[in-house]
Amino acid sequence: EVQLLESGGGLEQPGGSLRLSCAASGFIFSNNAMTWVRQAPGKGLEWVATITSSGGSIYHADSVKGRFTISRDNSKNTLYLQMNSLRAEDTAVYYCAMQGPVILYQMEVWGKGTSVTVSS
Amino acid sequence: DTQMTQSPSSLSASVGDRVTITCQASQDIDKYLSWYQQKPGKAPNLLIYDASNLETGVPSRFSGSGSGTDFTLTISSLQPEDIATYYCQQYDNLPLTFGGGTKVEIK
Repeated sequence: EVQLLESGGGLEQPGGSLRLSCAASGFIFSNNAMTWVRQAPGKGLEWVATITSSGGSIYHADSVKGRFTISRDNSKNTLYLQMNSLRAEDTAVYYCAMQGPVILYQMEVWGKGTSVTVSS
Repeated sequence: DTQMTQSPSSLSASVGDRVTITCQASQDIDKYLSWYQQKPGKAPNLLIYDASNLETGVPSRFSGSGSGTDFTLTISSLQPEDIATYYCQQYDNLPLTFGGGTKVEIK
C-alpha cells in the first residue's frame, strides 16, 4: 500500500524556519515526481513546490520562491520542504503528494498533512 | 498562469439527485485536468484524471468530461458519503493550479 507520512509541522514565529519531511513507502520512490500542496484554514488548495523523480529539477510557487526549498533523498525515500523567513500567511496544513514519472501529472496519492502555524 | 474557475461554489442536493460541477480553464489545457474529493478534516483524494478517467476504486457514479477549457464532474446519484468539497486541478503547465472548490451538501 502506498503511504505518505508528513512530519515537522508546528508553531513558529514570523521570520523563523521549519523543515517538513514526507516519508514514503509502498512504491519505488525514485520513480515518481513529488509535490507539496498547502491549505490555509478554511481556504482552498494551493500548489507550493514540485521536484522531479531524480531531484534534478525543482519548481516553486511565486508565493514561496526564495524562502522555501523542496528537496528529496531517494536513498531514504523522503521528501523535504525547507521553509525559511516564515510569514503569517504561510499558516496552513501542508500535504505531500505522489505524482507519476513526470511533473505534469495528476496527484495520485496524498499524505494526511502536517499543520504549520506562524504566529508570535 | 492558468486560472481555474469552478462553479457553483456550493450546492445542496437530495440523496439520489444528479449533481454537476463545472470547471473552466483560462486557456486550453487539452485533457490535463483532475478532480479531487476532500472530506472535512481529511486529505484530498483523486477521483478523476485526464479529464475523464476514473481512478481505481472510485465509485462509478462519479464521471468526468470535457477538454480544452471546459470540464464537468458529475455524480449520477448523490449519496450521503459524497458530502465533501470537490476541486479541479490542471497539470498542463506550471504553476499547477486548482479551482476554488465546490462544497456539496445534502438537502
